[in-house]
Amino acid sequence: IAGITQAPTSQILAAGRRMTLRCTQDMRHNAMYWYRQDLGLGLRLIHYSNTAGTTGKGEVPDGYSVSRANTDDFPLTLASAVPSQTSVYFCASSKGGDTGELFFGEGSRLTVL
Amino acid sequence: GQNIDQPTEMTATEGAIVQINCTYQTSGFNGLFWYQQHAGEAPTFLSYNVLDGLEEKGRFSSFLSRSKGYSYLLLKELQMKDSASYLCAVRDSDYKLSFGAGTTVTVRA
Repeated sequence: IAGITQAPTSQILAAGRRMTLRCTQDMRHNAMYWYRQDLGLGLRLIHYSNTAGTTGKGEVPDGYSVSRANTDDFPLTLASAVPSQTSVYFCASSKGGDTGELFFGEGSRLTVL
Repeated sequence: GQNIDQPTEMTATEGAIVQINCTYQTSGFNGLFWYQQHAGEAPTFLSYNVLDGLEEKGRFSSFLSRSKGYSYLLLKELQMKDSASYLCAVRDSDYKLSFGAGTTVTVRA
């Protein structure tokens, strides 16, 4: 059982470059999320999708874009990376409902130089 | 939006009890969650409260008071493997989850 798979695990990127972080889930969850985690700030929501074909902005969406063409995939794109986007990025999914717990991927560590 | 506060760090002895408090201010409350995150790993779900009261799950319990905007996570019979960061998270009416900065618990022998 894979759950949620993120790629790449780690990446060093030059400022100004375009980067897409991939996220795939095999649990048929409707909702998917992208968070970034920075020391002292905790997890902050970047973008989310409640169902395939829809997306929404979270707390820190600037500089990021997402798409949700199907249920399983939810890629996060940095159009032109900046050093402040250096962070650990977590993708998560939820089946919804009352408990609606989030299941997280293993994270992608991105360093922008 | 959400404003979620929890202590930055706590230290306790193996076998002891630790209580991690979380206070929140929210525009639309739809549940409170606790997650555990070991260093270098992804967060994992611990507990969920949507009604006032105590939810017990083995050595871990979580309490919620919606009128006070307050929750706590109680860890009993602490073990070394409980050394981790504990994240309080509040879900809003759009089912988005906002997290506190986390409490790092260190268990000493």
